[in-house]
Amino acid sequence: DGGITQSPKYLFRKEGQNVTLSCEQNLNHDAMYWYRQDPGQGLRLIYYSQIVNDFQKGDIAEGYSVSREKKESFPLTVTSAQKNPTAFYLCASSVQGAGETQYFGPGTRLLVL
Amino acid sequence: AQSVSQHNHHVILSEAASLELGCNYSYGGTVNLFWYVQYPGQHLQLLLKYFSGDPLVKGIKGFEAEFIKSKFSFNLRKPSVQWSDTAEYFCAVIAGRDYKLSFGAGTTVTVRA
Repeated sequence: DGGITQSPKYLFRKEGQNVTLSCEQNLNHDAMYWYRQDPGQGLRLIYYSQIVNDFQKGDIAEGYSVSREKKESFPLTVTSAQKNPTAFYLCASSVQGAGETQYFGPGTRLLVL
Repeated sequence: AQSVSQHNHHVILSEAASLELGCNYSYGGTVNLFWYVQYPGQHLQLLLKYFSGDPLVKGIKGFEAEFIKSKFSFNLRKPSVQWSDTAEYFCAVIAGRDYKLSFGAGTTVTVRA
């Protein structure tokens, strides 16, 4: 059953804590993306990776970090430097190439305690 | 940088009514255009897309959209909505040879039975 999985569905972060959101895909896609969704603002790009061991900052990368050690995995770490981390985080993937259709995972909702 | 604007924040209509959601973008070059839908409790799904060719594209569940290049618009339509069309709808654009998907703020559609 092909698709994109994200875990956990809900995540709670304490002040000053780093947390890591998981994203896995078995679609054999080269490119992967992380977006943040806030009410009334649509989705904004945090980081993207076109190929293994390579990634680029999106529009709102400050306070976040990523790694791309495997083709199927693109974890996102929300660091303590991110001052407003409460949001819905969506991972996406696409075949390699500019302008391609992106397919989305179910998302992780991060809440700060 | 391109921007995407969706004209309506919240649309409320009755079953069997016609739906049209407006979307305009600011980029003057070649674009790929998308409409995504997010049903309550579900992940973001592709409704339809336009890359080239016939500017009237048909998607899933009876939706269609028309690309009007001169107006920088990609409006979504459905002739007769159902209660199950209640969802949030996002217009998105990839400009030229870019990897970044730019989203509108979204339109919440509520269909009353």
